[in-house]
Amino acid sequence: GEDVEQSLFLSVREGDSSVINCTYTDSSSTYLYWYKQEPGAGLQLLTYIFSNMDMKQDQRLTVLLNKKDKHLSLRIADTQTGDSAIYFCAERDTGNTPLVFGKGTRLSVIA
Amino acid sequence: DVKVTQSSRYLVKRTGEKVFLECVQDMDHENMFWYRQDPGLGLRLIYFSYDVKMKEKGDIPEGYSVSREKKERFSLILESASTNQTSMYLCASSRQGGMNEQFFGPGTRLTVL
Repeated sequence: GEDVEQSLFLSVREGDSSVINCTYTDSSSTYLYWYKQEPGAGLQLLTYIFSNMDMKQDQRLTVLLNKKDKHLSLRIADTQTGDSAIYFCAERDTGNTPLVFGKGTRLSVIA
Repeated sequence: DVKVTQSSRYLVKRTGEKVFLECVQDMDHENMFWYRQDPGLGLRLIYFSYDVKMKEKGDIPEGYSVSREKKERFSLILESASTNQTSMYLCASSRQGGMNEQFFGPGTRLTVL
């Protein structure tokens, strides 16, 4: 079945950029998503990208998609302590199918 | 403000008890999902539903059942709770088609003693 892989931990200093990487196996993915989970809360959609796009920028967030390598990344510019959370990559293929999630990357921001 | 609510934030039950976890969404979404979240394992899909009275098994349905009698409500049932079902349970809902964003509830942390 489909699989989504991401590293489990990332630690950055406040003010630096964070880059969280994700790889996926489903070549028919149509949408790819980044969700954020703050401590004690559910997941919240941060951003998403359609599979025919290479890049999407939204304020401090930049999503890059390399469809050939099935690689997705999330860059957070000027990382703040409030960005400390778990970030989940997810993908969906065509049709009304559930999202497939990675295991999540725990981002720790050091002041 | 769209919402997915779960009946309890924290729940403690004993082994062998029957446990009901309730989820309600107010967005008229067709799809609803139940996940469990465990450290190092991420989110694992237990069951999902595309419509009232419909259910589909996810990746780890063993030991669980679900009920969807009304569009807005999706219940997860542990017929006989066991200690390995101690976990965080997350409910989500989404529209069919389009970008299909899944909206999540705050989670229920279940402890089975």
